[in-house]
Amino acid sequence: DAGITQSPRHKVTETGTPVTLRCHQTENHRYMYWYRQDPGHGLRLIHYSYGVKDTDKGEVSDGYSVSRSKTEDFLLTLESATSSQTSVYFCAISLRKDRGDTLHFGNGTRLTVT
Amino acid sequence: ELKVEQNPLFLSMQEGKNYTIYCNYSTTSDRLYWYRQDPGKSLESLFVLLSNGAVKQEGRLMASLDTKARLSTLHITAAVHDLSATYFCAVDMSGDYKLSFGAGTTVTVRA
Repeated sequence: DAGITQSPRHKVTETGTPVTLRCHQTENHRYMYWYRQDPGHGLRLIHYSYGVKDTDKGEVSDGYSVSRSKTEDFLLTLESATSSQTSVYFCAISLRKDRGDTLHFGNGTRLTVT
Repeated sequence: ELKVEQNPLFLSMQEGKNYTIYCNYSTTSDRLYWYRQDPGKSLESLFVLLSNGAVKQEGRLMASLDTKARLSTLHITAAVHDLSATYFCAVDMSGDYKLSFGAGTTVTVRA
């Protein structure tokens, strides 16, 4: 168990409103990632972080911003939600203990934009 | 841009029979991952393949990697109902865990 908690687990919001999703981890890992999952697309990387205040864009970053002011929290913000951002959002961490590591995923946040 | 293609996207399996899921990718990489996802759940790591010719097995599942062909396979032996899930392959091109995922293969095992 990599100690990842995502909140909220479900959210319904209206088009044009800001939304923030939280990823919290308890084990002080540096590397954190936000993915979105959509049918037919698998998972796509939105943003990632290599440490406090060290973030960068992924494949589908338009319309999203992130912040990492503490090691344990990685926040994903939709500045003005659109229906195309209806998706399941997963946070992941990399333990990087050795080359055989993998990504460890949280339980996801299901976001519906109406 | 790295493209990862899985096929088939949907697979209806009969219990007791053998099947293979294929994962092709477009750019050189020697880091290939397989995950399983049950409906409404998170992703669970199955295998990490890190070199050409790597083969990993766990129960009825066996994964292999051919980096020259840019192909990984997930072989299911004697399918059972518990294997019903969606299976994803993912490739790490840069070595920093920014994984590129295939679209997933939804497996249904019927009696």
